[in-house]
Amino acid sequence: QSALTQPASVSGSPGQSITISCTGTSSDIGGYNYVSWYQQHPGKAPQLMIYAVSNRPSGISNRFSGSKSGNTASLTISGLQAEDEADYYCSSHISSGTSDVVFGGGTKLTVL
Amino acid sequence: EVQLVESGGGLVQPGGSLRLSCAASGFIFSSYWVHWVRQAPGKGLVWVSRINGDEINTNYADSVKGRFTISRDNAKNTVYLQMNSLRAEDTAVYYCGRANSAWSIDYWGQGTLVTVSS
Repeated sequence: QSALTQPASVSGSPGQSITISCTGTSSDIGGYNYVSWYQQHPGKAPQLMIYAVSNRPSGISNRFSGSKSGNTASLTISGLQAEDEADYYCSSHISSGTSDVVFGGGTKLTVL
Repeated sequence: EVQLVESGGGLVQPGGSLRLSCAASGFIFSSYWVHWVRQAPGKGLVWVSRINGDEINTNYADSVKGRFTISRDNAKNTVYLQMNSLRAEDTAVYYCGRANSAWSIDYWGQGTLVTVSS
């Protein structure tokens, strides 16, 4: 199955808000409310930021929010901070004969 | 504290085999599914495999099906990934992760590097 589609990069200034999109199909994002978002700093393991489209795990700042419309999910980060600079990946459960989960290609967030 | 620690990575020749381990602690291991996800150097995350808590129900990405086998030993709180017929394109950092009920990975290990090269 093809990876979910994310922009390669986004940028914003401290204090601003940015949104990262993640486009799939009716077999993944559009078919389930199982979209997740992960943050990954260089050389580190990914960290779960959002699950089930819009839920934050314990300890994750409320500056991070998620939403979904049709086959596209979005991650919004408000009040950008320098430490938000990282790679962000979306994922979704997929109804496929083989795979369980499909990831997006990743988006590099640069805080200017 | 939930912890997942991978081990077993290293350098292997094309066509060779390697077994990765993922040792878990800090939670009721048998109650959780576990995923393996890999990341080639400079590339994105790719889902590899999953095993249910019952040690029986498994699934694989097409790219590894028939070559990789996932298993777990709930008595040892450990998940394994047996990798056979390795190819250069299998070179990656391999992460194990605990799955929550919403098809997300809520805890990740630190990863173990597998390099397939002659």
